[in-house]
Parts: sequence; C-alpha cells; structure tokens
Amino acid sequence: GNSVTQMEGPVTLSEEAFLTINCTYTATGYPSLFWYVQYPGEGLQLLLKATKADDKGSNKGFEATYRKETTSFHLEKGSVQVSDSAVYFCALSGPGGSYIPTFGRGTSLIVHP
Amino acid sequence: DVKVTQSSRYLVKRTGEKVFLECVQDMDHENMFWYRQDPGLGLRLIYFSYDVKMKEKGDIPEGYSVSREKKERFSLILESASTNQTSMYLCASRRETRQYSPLHFGNGTRLTVT
Repeated sequence: GNSVTQMEGPVTLSEEAFLTINCTYTATGYPSLFWYVQYPGEGLQLLLKATKADDKGSNKGFEATYRKETTSFHLEKGSVQVSDSAVYFCALSGPGGSYIPTFGRGTSLIVHP
Repeated sequence: DVKVTQSSRYLVKRTGEKVFLECVQDMDHENMFWYRQDPGLGLRLIYFSYDVKMKEKGDIPEGYSVSREKKERFSLILESASTNQTSMYLCASRRETRQYSPLHFGNGTRLTVT
C-alpha cells in the first residue's frame, strides 16, 4: 500500500536559517504529492503540490521537487521566519482506489527570533 | 476560497453520550472526509464520502458512524462516546475524486470525553 515517511521533529531553527524537511514515499505508479501546513489552533491548509515527476511546487517561499528516482518530495525554504512555526505534513494521493490521501505523521517546526 | 466549517471548536461530553460533529462546506465539493488527529499518530481516516448518501469506512471506523444527506453537510456520530475518543477531529472536503485534487480542511473540533 501507499505510505509516507517524514522526518521526526521538532525541528528548531533560528530566524533566517535554511529549512529542509525530508519526505519519502512508497506508492505504485505516479502519485500526486502535497505539503500541508497546520498553524497552531487551525486545520491543515495546502502549502504546495506537484502532480508529475520533476515538477516543482512552490508557495510563500517554500519549494519541493517531485523526485521519482529517489521517491522523495523534500520541503525547503531559504530563510525561515518566526511565523513559519507550524506542523508540516507530507501527503500523497496515488493512482488506483479512490485516491484517498495518505499522510505522513507531521513535522513540527519551531523558529526562534 | 473554499470554506469548511465545523460547528464546534471545543466540545466536552460524558461517557456513553451520543455525540454529533457537524461539518459544512460551501463549494459544492463531491468528497468529504473525517479524520482524527492524535499526538504522534498523525491523521487517521475515520470515514469518507464520495457523494451524497455514499460513505466508505476509513482506517478506524469502529465506534463511529456518518451521515451525508445533503452534499454540503457531513456529520460524524459517536454512538456511545468513550474516553479513548478524546481527540481532535478534522473535517475535509475535496472538489472531485481526482488524485491531483487537494483537501480543504476545517479548523477542527477538540472533543473531550469525561
């Protein structure tokens, strides 16, 4: 079946540091890949997505590239802000079945001033 | 923008009570989902619905049921609440049954069963 593995947190950074949150997946065929973000006290919201190999999703300074050869979709940001503190979820929606999304367990990011 | 509204942010119920969690979306989305979120366990799918009056069990349906009589509303029912159902419940909708279509989430209902 489909699965998503993302690095455990919390990830703690100082403001303006470089961020990488690793995400790897297992799926048959060519799934669509997503990053969602959950700010404190809120539900998840879509951050970015990529629907085919070598696609790069980007939003709010965050980027992730769909790497079929390494089955990865790592999230990066060049310079984090305190306001980026949140929980980040990697997810996939695979071919077959009803495209029910599979989520990783989430990675908490804490950014200090 | 899609709006997914969950009727309560916080709910406290007693063991054995019947509990209704309501979710409404305003964008005519086909699919709706109920998840629970627990620390260290991520999101776990309880039930989902392709369309009106259609429902499918997710990974952890035991102790829950759902109702979707109208397209915009998806209700989660705890038939007899138990303390192990204390959790954050998240509702989500999706425009269509396509793998590239993202989910839109409500802000969650934090349920405490005492």
